Amino acid sequence: DQQVKQNSPSLSVQEGRISILNCDYTNSMFDYFLWYKKYPAEGPTFLISISSIKDKNEDGRFTVFLNKSAKHLSLHIVPSQPGDSAVYFCAASEGNYGQNFVFGPGTRLSVLP
Amino acid sequence: EAGVAQSPRYKIIEKRQSVAFWCNPISGHATLYWYQQILGQGPKLLIQFQNNGVVDDSQLPKDRFSAERLKGVDSTLKIQPAKLEDSAVYLCASSTPDPGTGELFFGEGSRLTVL
Repeated sequence: DQQVKQNSPSLSVQEGRISILNCDYTNSMFDYFLWYKKYPAEGPTFLISISSIKDKNEDGRFTVFLNKSAKHLSLHIVPSQPGDSAVYFCAASEGNYGQNFVFGPGTRLSVLP
Repeated sequence: EAGVAQSPRYKIIEKRQSVAFWCNPISGHATLYWYQQILGQGPKLLIQFQNNGVVDDSQLPKDRFSAERLKGVDSTLKIQPAKLEDSAVYLCASSTPDPGTGELFFGEGSRLTVL
């Protein structure tokens, strides 16, 4: 029973265009969400987070949107750069302190020069 | 600030053998996690420690996996005996006790191949 889903295993975009990565969750108790980026042979690194009290959070080229009613969030990367090529994981938890994060299966983003 | 350290980076063993992984979290991080990441899947929590106490080990296969965190700092994850399906990357992560982004800081992982 996957509580966090990322239905697109891979995504390819041209450099300079927008990348949109999607994530859906089933547990209505989730109220805190994070995006992680992972390069090969490295551990995941934190990218951006959003609490359920917000519907948008922005950090530079990265924006996360949360639609609570649809149990859906998305990560927008604008403009996309070749260095953004990595696997992106969506993670969700109940609360943001010391809580068990549930990860999605990831989406592999390839940004083509 | 030094990151989360893990060793070994790679390990190849035969089924039914044993293996141990070590993790040193970021200094001052009270919470330590062990995740298992099977190829093509997201990380799955195996066990979570708060200082040297276990907070959540509900997904740890206790018949073969064990973990300890002595003195609330370093941690060791052991598998005995290993099965083919244990082939995965074992990720250690730690987090600050202060509320903030809730970010987990991950190590580079230990890749296990069971033949």
